[in-house]
Amino acid sequence: EVHLVESGGGLVQPGRSLRLSCRASGFTFGDYAMSWVRQAPGKGLEWVTLIRSEAYGGTIEYAASVEDRFTISRDDSKSIAYLQMNSLKTEDTALYYCSCSIGWLEPDYWGQGTLVTVSS
Amino acid sequence: DIQMTQSPSSLSASVGDRVTITCRASQSISTYLNWYQQKPGKAPKLLIYAASRLQSGVPSRFSGGGSGTDFTLTISSLQPEDFSTYYCQQTYRFPRTFGQGTKVAIK
Repeated sequence: EVHLVESGGGLVQPGRSLRLSCRASGFTFGDYAMSWVRQAPGKGLEWVTLIRSEAYGGTIEYAASVEDRFTISRDDSKSIAYLQMNSLKTEDTALYYCSCSIGWLEPDYWGQGTLVTVSS
Repeated sequence: DIQMTQSPSSLSASVGDRVTITCRASQSISTYLNWYQQKPGKAPKLLIYAASRLQSGVPSRFSGGGSGTDFTLTISSLQPEDFSTYYCQQTYRFPRTFGQGTKVAIK
């Protein structure tokens, strides 16, 4: 069974950094693309970033709202995906979910999320 | 960016009703379309992927259709546990984009 567990969220001041982790189990992590999606309080879903599997070059995509501030990475030996968030803004406050998918026309799987609050 | 527009934004329905939610893409996305259900305080749950494929474990009263720019999510007979918010998402092009959501409430 696919299992994703996010961690690393918390309260952080504007301009500071935070790193989120997504620990995976129940599937061959290296075969899957990993994504982060966020949801601000009371709002809809916003796709943030994706890293492809090494079979597809491990290439990365970002939403314009986070490009140059956020960095996604993966450690296939540990089955963990990371989201390094720098220069945080109040508008980055959200519940951050990680998800995985083996293909764009295949099902994806989600974790339960970790809450990031950016406030002074 | 590809804009995804859901309609309606909210609806009220009764148990047993047939409910249809539509999702329109601003350009053709073939069948690169997922539907999610989200309950308050919970992670989104995948219902339909590739426009019409039912995710494992999802009841057969849920169905998806469409291709190109127009898509539908249909619940054939609404059950009490189906009162939730539903989102569509395109996986055709980056940035991946979601619809604004459709809240299904009890009439």
